[in-house]
Amino acid sequence: QITLKESGPTLVKPTQTLTLTCSFSGFSLSTSPVGVGWIRQPPGKALEWLAVIYWNDDKQYSTSLKSRVTITKDTSKNQVVLTMTNMGPVDTATYYCAHRLRGSGTVAYWGQGTLVTVSS
Amino acid sequence: DVVMTQSPLSLPVTLGQPASISCRSSQSLAYSDGNTYLNWFQQRPGQSPRRLIYKVSNRDSGVPDRFSGSGSGTDFTLKISRVEAEDVGVYYCMQGTQWPLTFGPGTKVEIK
Repeated sequence: QITLKESGPTLVKPTQTLTLTCSFSGFSLSTSPVGVGWIRQPPGKALEWLAVIYWNDDKQYSTSLKSRVTITKDTSKNQVVLTMTNMGPVDTATYYCAHRLRGSGTVAYWGQGTLVTVSS
Repeated sequence: DVVMTQSPLSLPVTLGQPASISCRSSQSLAYSDGNTYLNWFQQRPGQSPRRLIYKVSNRDSGVPDRFSGSGSGTDFTLKISRVEAEDVGVYYCMQGTQWPLTFGPGTKVEIK
């Protein structure tokens, strides 16, 4: 059974760096073609992919956020970490991590999400 | 980036009546492997998105057969044959053909 769970701060100040951790079980991030990605959703708004990392350490980033986002993995801990620099109020959102298979064209498993508010 | 649009953005429906949501992409979602990677997700209030349909018309396990997907190229449709109370929520299409994967703006389904 695949499960994912996000953790991190619920409140960050403007200009700070956000660090979120996705802890998962039921699969290995060292097995082809597994990947774990991050998706966010501002309150009442649509979903937006941020980044994904694959079993071979290949990474893909959002076109608009690539300068601010970094994704890394710790295979031994079954964790993926997202960092986003220079946070602002527009980055207030629920952040989800998700499991996907490269080349599958889809994402089937999502975490429960974690709400991050950016405010001074 | 591939831009996804949906219509309508709000869909009030009478219980037991059909509902239809349109999704369009700014470029063809047909991939070189012969597949078309168009997905539909349902997001109930306060919940994470749940995948309903993948590759245009393949229903996920446990998804009621009143949900169906169709389309090709740049035009796709999600249909609910008879809306039930548990279908209330926001429905998103998502293309998986090209990175970055992109979602439509969502269609809010509510009961009249």
